[in-house]
Amino acid sequence: KNEVEQSPQNLTAQEGEFITINCSYSVGISALHWLQQHPGGGIVSLFMLSSGKKKHGRLIATINIQEKHSSLHITASHPRDSAVYICAVTGNQFYFGTGTSLTVIP
Amino acid sequence: NAGVMQNPRHLVRRRGQEARLRCSPMKGHSHVYWYRQLPEEGLKFMVYLQKENIIDESGMPKERFSAEFPKEGPSILRIQQVVRGDSAAYFCASSAGEGYEQYFGPGTRLTVT
Repeated sequence: KNEVEQSPQNLTAQEGEFITINCSYSVGISALHWLQQHPGGGIVSLFMLSSGKKKHGRLIATINIQEKHSSLHITASHPRDSAVYICAVTGNQFYFGTGTSLTVIP
Repeated sequence: NAGVMQNPRHLVRRRGQEARLRCSPMKGHSHVYWYRQLPEEGLKFMVYLQKENIIDESGMPKERFSAEFPKEGPSILRIQQVVRGDSAAYFCASSAGEGYEQYFGPGTRLTVT
C-alpha cells in the first residue's frame, strides 16, 4: 500500500466544470504539497499546506489533519488546466502520490 | 530573479559512462532536493542537501549514485557506470530552508543507450 493515495487516477471534464482531486496519506507529516506537471514535463508547486485552506486564483487546497486527507479544487476549469496533479507529503521522508491526469475539454 | 536552473536539459550516455547533472538553486536558497521520475512512474525522492551537507539520502540507490552541494557552485548529481534503468527525468528543487516551499527546475532527461 502506498503512503500517499490519490483519486481519481484520470479525470476528464468539460470546460467550466468544478473539479476535485483527492489525496489521502497514512504517515505523519509536517506539510502536504500539491504539484502540477504539464505535458512538457515541467513541475510547478501549487500549494504547500499544513492546516486549513489556501486559495490561489481558481485553485483551492484544503487539508484535514485528523482525517489525513487533502483536496485540490479547480473552479471554472479551462483547457490550460490539463496536466497531471501530484500530491506529496513531507515528514520523516518524502512521499509522492502517483498523480491524477486531468484533461479539460473545450 | 532566475528560477532553478538545471543543465543539461537532455543527456545521452552509453552504458558504463558517467552522467553528471547540475542544479543551480534560486538565488538565496541553500537547500536542494533531487527527485527521479522513471518513465510511466511517479516522482521519487532521492536526496536532500544543504550547502556542504547531505541531510537525507534515504532515497538514493546504494551504489553508483552520489550527490554534493559545495560551498560554491551548483549541486551535482553523479551517476557512475550508467545502466539502461537509469534512464529517467531527474528534477531538482530548491528552498530557502527546511519547511519552506520548494521551487522546481525544468529537469534533466537522461537517456542511456
